[in-house]
Amino acid sequence: GAVVSQHPSWVICKSGTSVKIECRSLDFQATTMFWYRQFPKQSLMLMATSNEGSKATYEQGVEKDKFLINHASLTLSTLTVTSAHPEDSSFYICSANERGFTDTQYFGPGTRLTVL
Amino acid sequence: GDSVTQMEGPVTLSEEAFLTINCTYTATGYPSLFWYVQYPGEGLQLLLKATKADDKGSNKGFEATYRKETTSFHLEKGSVQVSDSAVYFCALTTNTGGFKTIFGAGTRLFVKA
Repeated sequence: GAVVSQHPSWVICKSGTSVKIECRSLDFQATTMFWYRQFPKQSLMLMATSNEGSKATYEQGVEKDKFLINHASLTLSTLTVTSAHPEDSSFYICSANERGFTDTQYFGPGTRLTVL
Repeated sequence: GDSVTQMEGPVTLSEEAFLTINCTYTATGYPSLFWYVQYPGEGLQLLLKATKADDKGSNKGFEATYRKETTSFHLEKGSVQVSDSAVYFCALTTNTGGFKTIFGAGTRLFVKA
């Protein structure tokens, strides 16, 4: 089946630094990738939708200058948390739609970010 | 707007018990319906899906039927195992106004040996 990877699986950083998280579709081309944030014991909150080669569409309340998304190819999207603060600590999950199969998302394993 | 409501947890069952996790939805158009499972510290895995009314999705002993008349997609399993302990998310996807997935709040299941 379709596999999505994320790197790193966890990261600890100091307040004020920037962190980049990669999301890759390993065996399929992803026309669209999604970035979610999940707080402890809560559901997933969609942050943004990115299509290859175009700007990401951010959900209301998500700061696009803080959460930079780049979807450079059909297999790679990156989320950069800029000037991270402790309140950005969370579990970040990406997902991808396979080209031609738009109703099913494949999720990455998630990246746990801890900002000290 | 579109939404998904699922029963609150946690749900605690003994091994081999029958499981039902209720899920209802509201949506414009004709959404596809999904159940995802999340094990501790991991991302979401697709458990099963149904794309139109009366479809039944099934996988690993779990099943759910897309009921348009009751706008429901309840998850069932006849005999749970300890390894089924996880958080289960009901979700719908819609392509009305752009592709989007709406998740329920999640239901945590504990299965005791």
